[in-house]
Formats: sequence, structure tokens, C-alpha cells
Amino acid sequence: AQTVTQSQPEMSVQEAETVTLSCTYDTSENNYYLFWYKQPPSRQMILVIRQEAYKQQNATENRFSVNFQKAAKSFSLKISDSQLGDTAMYFCAFSEGIQGAQKLVFGQGTRLTINP
Amino acid sequence: DSGVTQTPKHLITATGQRVTLRCSPRSGDLSVYWYQQSLDQGLQFLIHYYNGEERAKGNILERFSAQQFPDLHSELNLSSLELGDSALYFCASSGQAYGYTFGSGTRLTVV
Repeated sequence: AQTVTQSQPEMSVQEAETVTLSCTYDTSENNYYLFWYKQPPSRQMILVIRQEAYKQQNATENRFSVNFQKAAKSFSLKISDSQLGDTAMYFCAFSEGIQGAQKLVFGQGTRLTINP
Repeated sequence: DSGVTQTPKHLITATGQRVTLRCSPRSGDLSVYWYQQSLDQGLQFLIHYYNGEERAKGNILERFSAQQFPDLHSELNLSSLELGDSALYFCASSGQAYGYTFGSGTRLTVV
């Protein structure tokens, strides 16, 4: 069974600092997709960034970037120049095979607090 | 607006009752997924439908059932409700081109 592990239940940093959230996963598949979702206090699930396993280049979206280490099955999220609005729960998620045709498996989440 | 519509947004009901949660997927998406999120927990996969057919089941209780209709909307039925069923229930839809999109969830409180 696929599993996703987020080893940091909570993290806290000062505004403008850089923070890295960790995620490891377990799968025997070669083709899969990895995601980071943000869940602010509103509870809405917001896609932050997505990585296709067959792409060696790490995905980036403005201040958000990932460090994808396929052999180590590691997928960390780096937030640069953190802002108060980044305060949220962050979930790492994984899906096998064809995107959109398989369920997402989520980690337990990391609660990130950005302090002024 | 994510394009995925869930109704109702909030639901309060008594133990032993039955409720139906509804989800309309984003236009063009054939897959619908249901997830349960208990307080401060991750999202637990319940069930996946693709174009009207059940594709995968997670740890869904026998008291829970779901279906997807010809117009692609889906309903999650929860019966014989218990206090522990109180949670946020998310629906997500997906298509190959756009990935997964979540609705805003239904908060169920069982009293």
C-alpha cells in the first residue's frame, strides 16, 4: 500500500524566513505524481505545487519550490520569503499512474505558523 | 470558486440519523473522490467513482455508501450516524489535464 509520511507535525518561523517541510513516500510504481496542498483556517484545500515523477527538474511556483529525490522517495517543500498568509496546514499527497485516474493518498500534515 | 460544488456546507444531525452529502464535479471531470477529515487529521480516502462506476474503495464504513449519477454528480450517504462520524467531508474531482480540484467541504456535526 502507498504511504505518505510527514515527520514534522508543527513548524514555526519568522516572517521573511525560508522554511522547508519534509515528506517521504513509499511506492513500488515508477510513474506517479506528488503534490503539496495548503489548508488555511478556512479549511479549503488549495494546490500549492505538483511534480511528475518522470521529470527530473524540480517544480517551482513563485516562492514555492520542491526538492524531489526519487531514489530516496523524498519530496520536500521549500517556502522562500515566508508571509503571514502562508500560515496553514500543509499536506503532502501522492497518486499513482495516470493523473486524474487514481486516488490521492495524503500525509498527516504539518501545521506551519508564520510569526510577524 | 474551484468549480467543485458541495452541499450543504454545514450539517448538524442527531445520532442514529441518515444524511446525504452532494457533490457536483468541475465541468468535464469524470472522476469524483470522497474524503473524510476528522479534527486536525489528514484526509482519509473513502471512495472513487469514474463516469458512474465505482473504481476504488478506501476505509469506508458499511454504514456509508455513495453513487455517481449520469450527470456525474455524486452523493455520499451516511447512515446510523455516530458521534465519531463528525468530520469535514471533502469531494474532489479530476481530469487528466487539470489534476485534482477540491470542493469547500461539508462540515458534519453529529450530536
